[in-house]
Amino acid sequence: AQTVTQSQPEMSVQEAETVTLSCTYDTSESDYYLFWYKQPPSRQMILVIRQEAYKQQNATENRFSVNFQKAAKSFSLKISDSQLGDAAMYFCAYQSGNQFYFGTGTSLTVIP
Amino acid sequence: DTGVSQDPRHKITKRGQNVTFRCDPISEHNRLYWYRQTLGQGPEFLTYFQNEAQLEKSRLLSDRFSAERPKGSFSTLEIQRTEQGDSAMYLCASSILTGAVTEAFFGQGTRLTVV
Repeated sequence: AQTVTQSQPEMSVQEAETVTLSCTYDTSESDYYLFWYKQPPSRQMILVIRQEAYKQQNATENRFSVNFQKAAKSFSLKISDSQLGDAAMYFCAYQSGNQFYFGTGTSLTVIP
Repeated sequence: DTGVSQDPRHKITKRGQNVTFRCDPISEHNRLYWYRQTLGQGPEFLTYFQNEAQLEKSRLLSDRFSAERPKGSFSTLEIQRTEQGDSAMYLCASSILTGAVTEAFFGQGTRLTVV
């Protein structure tokens, strides 16, 4: 069975600093996709960044980048130059076939 | 099209009542998902449609839950004889089946409170 584990329930970062959120997953599949979603308080979930498992190059979207270690089944998210608007729940998600599997989330606080 | 919309945003119901939620996906999306999210947890998969066909259901989806997508467009999720344990955020998401990877787009959810 596919599982996604986020071992950090809460994280905090000073504004303008860098923070890394951890995610590991378990799968026997070779072809899959990984995502980080952001869920601000009382707002809908939006995509932050995606990674195709067959790509070795780590995905980057502006201040957001990932460290994808396929052999270790690790998919961490790095947020650089943190901003107050980055405060939210962050969910790591795995997709294979029809389903998305989500971790339990990391609550990120940005300290002014 | 402004994205996935869900209605209502909030629902308070008495235990034992039936409730129905609606989801309107992004118009060209052929895949539609329902998830349940409780406080402090990530979304848990409930069911999945490709066009009008319900292709997969989670074991979480008891016989009190039923979902439909009659014309392959909007979808409804009905919960019969609600229980307090059904209190949660119900999320709908849609995506499009293509050769390339595509993420799921989420609605704002329907928050159900069973009293």
